[in-house]
Amino acid sequence: AQSVAQPEDQVNVAEGNPLTVKCTYSVSGNPYLFWYVQYPNRGLQFLLKYITGDNLVKGSYGFEAEFNKSQTSFHLKKPSALVSDSALYFCAVRDWLGGNEKLTFGTGTRLTIIP
Amino acid sequence: SQTIHQWPATLVQPVGSPLSLECTVEGTSNPNLYWYRQAAGRGLQLLFYSVGIGQISSEVPQNLSASRPQDRQFILSSKKLLLSDSGFYLCAWSAAGASYEQYFGPGTRLTVT
Repeated sequence: AQSVAQPEDQVNVAEGNPLTVKCTYSVSGNPYLFWYVQYPNRGLQFLLKYITGDNLVKGSYGFEAEFNKSQTSFHLKKPSALVSDSALYFCAVRDWLGGNEKLTFGTGTRLTIIP
Repeated sequence: SQTIHQWPATLVQPVGSPLSLECTVEGTSNPNLYWYRQAAGRGLQLLFYSVGIGQISSEVPQNLSASRPQDRQFILSSKKLLLSDSGFYLCAWSAAGASYEQYFGPGTRLTVT
């Protein structure tokens, strides 16, 4: 089975500083990787995806992610953090269940931006 | 554009009572539909998925069941709730053939007392 790992439960960043939320993956074949964000008591929102092409993927709200095949990583980044970026972030990978595609999620990283 | 609805938004139910949570999708046809549970504000557990009317697959055995009576309607049920059923329940949809790109509803917060 495919899997992703988010090694940090919590990340704190000062407002205006760059932020990075880490994700590593373990897959057989070519990885399809995703980032989602969840605000309190809300559903998940899709941020960006990597399927093929450029290793730097741009997404919503100024976020981007860098696919690194040699390090099997897909870290989420933003050049300048906003307080409104505070949320729970999930990395996910395409997986398979009974011949159908599904998503396998990481355990999530809580990002807190400090004013 | 596509939208996904879930209701109720919050629910408090006693142990042993039945449960019915509803999810509907608008603006698309023949979507894949999913039920997830999120416990303790963290990880997501896939409970059920459906690729068509009447076609339900379960990820893990549990006290819950799911049904898909119409193309864009997905229902999560239980005959008798357990304390451990408490959590945040999320419905999601994806286009057929692109199951990896999922879009989530607002969720239902269930507290079993």
